[in-house]
Amino acid sequence: DVRVTQSPAFLSASVGDRVTITCRTSQSISSFFAWYQQKPGRAPKLLIYAASTLLSGVPSRFSGSGSGTEFTLTITNLQPDDFATYYCQQLNSYPSTFGQGTRLEMK
Amino acid sequence: EVQLVESGGGLVQPGGSLRLSCAASGFTFKEYYMSWVRQAPGKGLEWVGNIEKDGSDQHYGDSVRGRFTISRDNAKSSLHLQMNSLRVEDTAVYYCARGNWGWNCDHWGQGILVTVSS
Repeated sequence: DVRVTQSPAFLSASVGDRVTITCRTSQSISSFFAWYQQKPGRAPKLLIYAASTLLSGVPSRFSGSGSGTEFTLTITNLQPDDFATYYCQQLNSYPSTFGQGTRLEMK
Repeated sequence: EVQLVESGGGLVQPGGSLRLSCAASGFTFKEYYMSWVRQAPGKGLEWVGNIEKDGSDQHYGDSVRGRFTISRDNAKSSLHLQMNSLRVEDTAVYYCARGNWGWNCDHWGQGILVTVSS
């Protein structure tokens, strides 16, 4: 199985900041990678697929990059609505696996 | 508007069985992969499994393989998760999700709680 290691587990930032979340996979997975945002008590929301393709309607301050074994989610100019938990997911091979999550909190 | 509504959750004893359903609307159900994802209380997301568009193949996470079965009824736009030999560690909110551009989960249900406890 492909293991996904997400870091950091917690991130404290302020409105207007730029933050980066990283996921590393135990083997190369090309670009079959997605990022989700989840708010308390809500279902996750897909932000990015194919490592860097922004879902329609997702603000352009979100961006994804990477291929192979290292992937990043970057949020520039943080807005109050962005404070949430973020998960990555590899979709290269079964079983699909999620990262452990990054909780983004307001400083 | 895409809608996914889970049902069938509740309290079950260890070793018991439960069947979850997910009613889909607002899209052509048979054209999409469908997945189940769960989240234990206070924990992260765990991929349970998915099923191909025509139901011909299913794939499962390691922790549920051999105990859970995913099925679908394309005529009724419904997805199911049969859970057998339930364990305390299966306690979670279970989400059904639509797969797009492959298996990316682009729409999710509201989730349903399954509690396994004696």
